[in-house]
Amino acid sequence: ETGVTQSPTHLIKTRGQQVTLRCSSQSGHNTVSWYQQALGQGPQFIFQYYREEENGRGNFPPRFSGLQFPNYSSELNVNALELDDSALYLCASSLERIGGYAGELFFGEGSRLTVL
Amino acid sequence: QQQVKQSPQSLIVQKGGISIINCAYENTAFDYFPWYQQFPGKGPALLIAIRPDVSEKKEGRFTISFNKSAKQFSLHIMDSQPGDSATYFCAAIIANRDDKIIFGKGTRLHILP
Repeated sequence: ETGVTQSPTHLIKTRGQQVTLRCSSQSGHNTVSWYQQALGQGPQFIFQYYREEENGRGNFPPRFSGLQFPNYSSELNVNALELDDSALYLCASSLERIGGYAGELFFGEGSRLTVL
Repeated sequence: QQQVKQSPQSLIVQKGGISIINCAYENTAFDYFPWYQQFPGKGPALLIAIRPDVSEKKEGRFTISFNKSAKQFSLHIMDSQPGDSATYFCAAIIANRDDKIIFGKGTRLHILP
């Protein structure tokens, strides 16, 4: 059973550029969520995808968008990059809720984005 | 608006001692409270979690104490070991809604050998 994998692990972009980050969910998991973790802070929820549809969104502007594919892998796209977008971007996968409670989140190691 | 407040920001404990990290929340709709452990260069990993219908949950050396009336919960690490040195995040979630999980800002724990 493979865990959550993310790519790339590190990347550097300049302000105004666009970036795509990728995530492969843990085998059998159909829900993927994305988080932004600034240095010294806790992760902040960006959005969640369940069966290829966005299913919940945090306080992030529309230039943060995503996709989930039929194999449950996912992409996070950020347009018009700003300096404050520099952070660790974490992907987490989980199983469909059972009994109304969230399944355990399994996190990848993240993609560290630096915006210059 | 910070919905989950975590303290202290950093903590140093002697090996064998008890590490205590506290969290407070505002939204009474939260109904699931996990703790995550994060090592440098790694993603967070679930350590232990509690639902508000119990006041305490223990797993090995890790215990969550939950006070629903005070809207507070805490993580106790008994017999702390150098391998416990990591950043710990408390979190809260409204599980029946959109599963949006709110994390605290984290506590950097260092266990002295």
